[in-house]
Amino acid sequence: ETGVTQTPRHLVMGMTNKKSLKCEQHLGHNAMYWYKQSAKKPLELMFVYNFKEQTENNSVPSRFSPECPNSSHLFLHLHTLQPEDSALYLCASSQGTGRVQPQHFGDGTRLSIL
Amino acid sequence: GESVGLHLPTLSVQEGDNSIINCAYSNSASDYFIWYKQESGKGPQFIIDIRSNMDKRQGQRVTVLLNKTVKHLSLQIAATQPGDSAVYFCAATGNQFYFGTGTSLTVIP
Repeated sequence: ETGVTQTPRHLVMGMTNKKSLKCEQHLGHNAMYWYKQSAKKPLELMFVYNFKEQTENNSVPSRFSPECPNSSHLFLHLHTLQPEDSALYLCASSQGTGRVQPQHFGDGTRLSIL
Repeated sequence: GESVGLHLPTLSVQEGDNSIINCAYSNSASDYFIWYKQESGKGPQFIIDIRSNMDKRQGQRVTVLLNKTVKHLSLQIAATQPGDSAVYFCAATGNQFYFGTGTSLTVIP
């Protein structure tokens, strides 16, 4: 049972569409993350938020736009994506962004770009 | 750059046997390590963690061993069960968390 909920679980969109991914954590954590998981590759960190403030943007293209209205909710707004953006997008949360804080993950949104 | 690698992409074990999954990391300054389990269609699930001031930590049926000299981490699963079939990957801290690509464990009934 996960304390991090992601919706939708699956999303198919065209390159000109605009859609948003949603993440909600019920763990009382202060930090939230977006990761991209592609086949045969390690998790790629995209964005980090701590107490609603973005603390890290890992050189992510501007077609991905995060939003964190509060410590419990995180969004990833998508527009004009490319086929190589097809992947599993994972949200995670942790108590803080310290180096010894385990991250807890949601089950992800499987994104397919046509 | 910093990296984390797993030694075997796949591993098959007989039900009831012990499993050992290995991981190597590059940054000698890494001081915190986590093992995750990812089942098909699900997100990574925290299994066990260990700090660099320890060389062994045990959980329920799992043991993590840390060898800082050779920068090696292993996960041992005792009496492997079919429900243990999943992808396992390690993470190590540097400036951020660095994740391995995973070892796919298949348990043969």
